[in-house]
Amino acid sequence: NAGVTQTPKFRILKIGQSMTLQCTQDMNHNYMYWYRQDPGMGLKLIYYSVGAGITDKGEVPNGYNVSRSTTEDFPLRLELAAPSQTSVYFCASSYLAGQWDEQFFGPGTRLTVL
Amino acid sequence: DAKTTQPPSMDCAEGRAANLPCNHSTISGNEYVYWYRQIHSQGPQYIIHGLKNNETNEMASLIITEDRKSSTLILPHATLRDTAVYYCIVRVSGAGSYQLTFGKGTKLSVIP
Repeated sequence: NAGVTQTPKFRILKIGQSMTLQCTQDMNHNYMYWYRQDPGMGLKLIYYSVGAGITDKGEVPNGYNVSRSTTEDFPLRLELAAPSQTSVYFCASSYLAGQWDEQFFGPGTRLTVL
Repeated sequence: DAKTTQPPSMDCAEGRAANLPCNHSTISGNEYVYWYRQIHSQGPQYIIHGLKNNETNEMASLIITEDRKSSTLILPHATLRDTAVYYCIVRVSGAGSYQLTFGKGTKLSVIP
């Protein structure tokens, strides 16, 4: 299994541009998440999904959109990029089985908005 | 979710046990203690979690005090590859609880 994969690894955007960060998992997990991590800080939840067709906001959703058309994919869309969105973005997935819900993280996408 | 308090940094000699403390004095009865770590620039990695009993797996041991207000993550024989930021997270586990709330964690440096 490849686990959770993310593309691209790095990206530089100009202010006002848009882009989609891709996330795919091959573990058949029902839950998927997007986090952002600013320098020296912990991760903050942007959006999450509990299954195909179901998404919900996390702690910091403004400026982002998500969709979940399949179990495997959970893309994150940035519209009108702003410097405040410069961050490292991590996608994660988990399979809830009772109280066992370990989250598996991807390698991250480092985004700079200039 | 309850908040946690961790020291910002710790050093440990290679081959020795690393003991990372975490205070969670406001933990609720249904909240678990989770530990994740983040090796430089990588995604966080799950280590271990527990409710009230001590837990051990192939990576670490988790010791939770009887009153559950604090816990200690133990890496029994630290290696250079264990140098990372370690996050203690308290959360309700299961359906309806999706967010991992990461603080700043403890930066563990394993020294040769």
